[in-house]
Amino acid sequence: GESVGLHLPTLSVQEGDNSIINCAYSNSASDYFIWYKQESGKGPQFIIDIRSNMDKRQGQRVTVLLNKTVKHLSLQIAATQPGDSAVYFCAESLYGQNFVFGPGTRLSVLP
Amino acid sequence: NAGVMQNPRHLVRRRGQEARLRCSPMKGHSHVYWYRQLPEEGLKFMVYLQKENIIDESGMPKERFSAEFPKEGPSILRIQQVVRGDSAAYFCASSPPGGVGTQYFGPGTRLTVL
Repeated sequence: GESVGLHLPTLSVQEGDNSIINCAYSNSASDYFIWYKQESGKGPQFIIDIRSNMDKRQGQRVTVLLNKTVKHLSLQIAATQPGDSAVYFCAESLYGQNFVFGPGTRLSVLP
Repeated sequence: NAGVMQNPRHLVRRRGQEARLRCSPMKGHSHVYWYRQLPEEGLKFMVYLQKENIIDESGMPKERFSAEFPKEGPSILRIQQVVRGDSAAYFCASSPPGGVGTQYFGPGTRLTVL
């Protein structure tokens, strides 16, 4: 079946720097995307979502960019903090159902 | 706390035993999803249910695995005759009526098969 993949399996950034986590999705018909954060031993936590009729959406310290032409999704975290260290998953769906998750990117924040 | 609840958080079973994992969705949510996660891997969809109905079980193994979401009570993922390969974290997520939109996840059940 179709799947979501990530360009970078691990990412290390200095505290205070900006982080960019990338995701390539496969289904050009997908119309709803979510980024999740998963800390060790916990369930995925919703960060931000975006629909296919948008190119950009901003939250608190996070921004999601969607490029439908190349089927690419990115999560930008401003002023990365130690508490941002986690595994980040992107997920794609059609009509908000049957989400397909990527393999995840581990973000390590260096002091 | 109106979040998704799962129990038990940790479950140890010997090969051949049965495992029952429970999930109570968020208040007001009527759709439940089960995912499986192996260490250092992403989440794999297993089954999507609404009250008394299985909507999509395309990710569920054909044998030994079953799921239900009764009219009353939690959703249950049942694994019969567990094998070591069943060891994983099993996450439940719920979404509002209509099954469309953000899925909110529970803390997961970590199953260990000895």
